[in-house]
Amino acid sequence: DAGITQSPRHKVTETGTPVTLRCHQTENHRYMYWYRQDPGHGLRLIHYSYGVKDTDKGEVSDGYSVSRSKTEDFLLTLESATSSQTSVYFCAISAGLVGEQFFGPGTRLTVL
Amino acid sequence: DAKTTQPPSMDCAEGRAANLPCNHSTISGNEYVYWYRQIHSQGPQYIIHGLKNNETNEMASLIITEDRKSSTLILPHATLRDTAVYYCIVGGHSSGNTGKLIFGQGTTLQVKP
Repeated sequence: DAGITQSPRHKVTETGTPVTLRCHQTENHRYMYWYRQDPGHGLRLIHYSYGVKDTDKGEVSDGYSVSRSKTEDFLLTLESATSSQTSVYFCAISAGLVGEQFFGPGTRLTVL
Repeated sequence: DAKTTQPPSMDCAEGRAANLPCNHSTISGNEYVYWYRQIHSQGPQYIIHGLKNNETNEMASLIITEDRKSSTLILPHATLRDTAVYYCIVGGHSSGNTGKLIFGQGTTLQVKP
């Protein structure tokens, strides 16, 4: 299995609080991605990174920011969590543009 | 980004081949076809990908039509552990693309004893 972990695995928070999710990899892959998964929507891309300090928006980026200060870590921040951000969040990594993306185990976030 | 169309659900008998179809009629010349699956509550798992030629690995075979407008994923001997949602995705080296995957609704495959 690819070395990719997510933390925390579960989190319950209140509306309006900041939340940071961490994705950590030991594969030294260049590309990293954050997706969210909700019933009826499949997986949707939030943000992605194509190198250290190089990030861009995905299809559902509103309300989220990301940072990547080193190759192994990709952080997803909800500045002020809302109930609509209750979801399961998956991180993925890949070595190149083509080929396998490895997915992490997911973080289940509940915003009350 | 090209979109795909998959049947929402399929059944397969254990031990039989499972053939999952996918239509991607708007695929462009440099886009690959990827297949992933997701077993309940786990992260998606890569299965296989291809560009033009048929591909086979230890998990599955991918058959792409000559015009590349459709493909079929074949699980040669389905087991109960293959019950999952299967996603067909197209993506590739198009300008501005950085490998991101666009997931549709997928096909829920139920393997039955």
